[in-house]
Amino acid sequence: DTEVTQTPKHLVMGMTNKKSLKCEQHMGHRAMYWYKQKAKKPPELMFVYSYEKLSINESVPSRFSPECPNSSLLNLHLHALQPEDSALYLCASSQESGQEVYTGELFFGEGSRLTVL
Amino acid sequence: SQQGEEDPQALSIQEGENATMNCSYKTSINNLQWYRQNSGRGLVHLILIRSNEREKHSGRLRVTLDTSKKSSSLLITASRAADTASYFCATDPFRRKIIFGKGTRLHILP
Repeated sequence: DTEVTQTPKHLVMGMTNKKSLKCEQHMGHRAMYWYKQKAKKPPELMFVYSYEKLSINESVPSRFSPECPNSSLLNLHLHALQPEDSALYLCASSQESGQEVYTGELFFGEGSRLTVL
Repeated sequence: SQQGEEDPQALSIQEGENATMNCSYKTSINNLQWYRQNSGRGLVHLILIRSNEREKHSGRLRVTLDTSKKSSSLLITASRAADTASYFCATDPFRRKIIFGKGTRLHILP
């Protein structure tokens, strides 16, 4: 199984709502990533987890809260978002260096398109 | 902050022609990767070249890397309509920190 599954595919929320984006992979990867992508722009790194521990936080506002409950799951909790947070949120996973056959390749899900009203 | 800058930003060519995209980056790297993204979809890994490699091939793709100039190029030969997509280079200035360039939007004309 070489898939990264993201749910929901689309999400519309108000600025006072609390919602979550979910990401799941069963490839045995121990690094998982959240990227944010605005239209016609490159993906911007938000968070990286390595072995279920937060490894990189790219100074993301606290209204975005990541969680890695186990090696297969990655969540992004959303609270009090702003309209400018509307974007495609992409999850990715990769093997960690030190894992067998480390390639450095990122495997992406199809993304969750978020609209904040 | 962006590590890579691709040029051109957009490229339109006839089907069957070759497409060349360039990427420049700022800091030292371990690897450089190229990804493709169809409109509104996830990114798909195309090829990875390590900092000690100069050229790599995969099917119709040819990637070169010049670490002295901090630049890479992606050549797609014999382009097809299905190659229409955005192409991004990605570098790893720090461990696990994979940063994408601005991308090239490639349009293959029938």
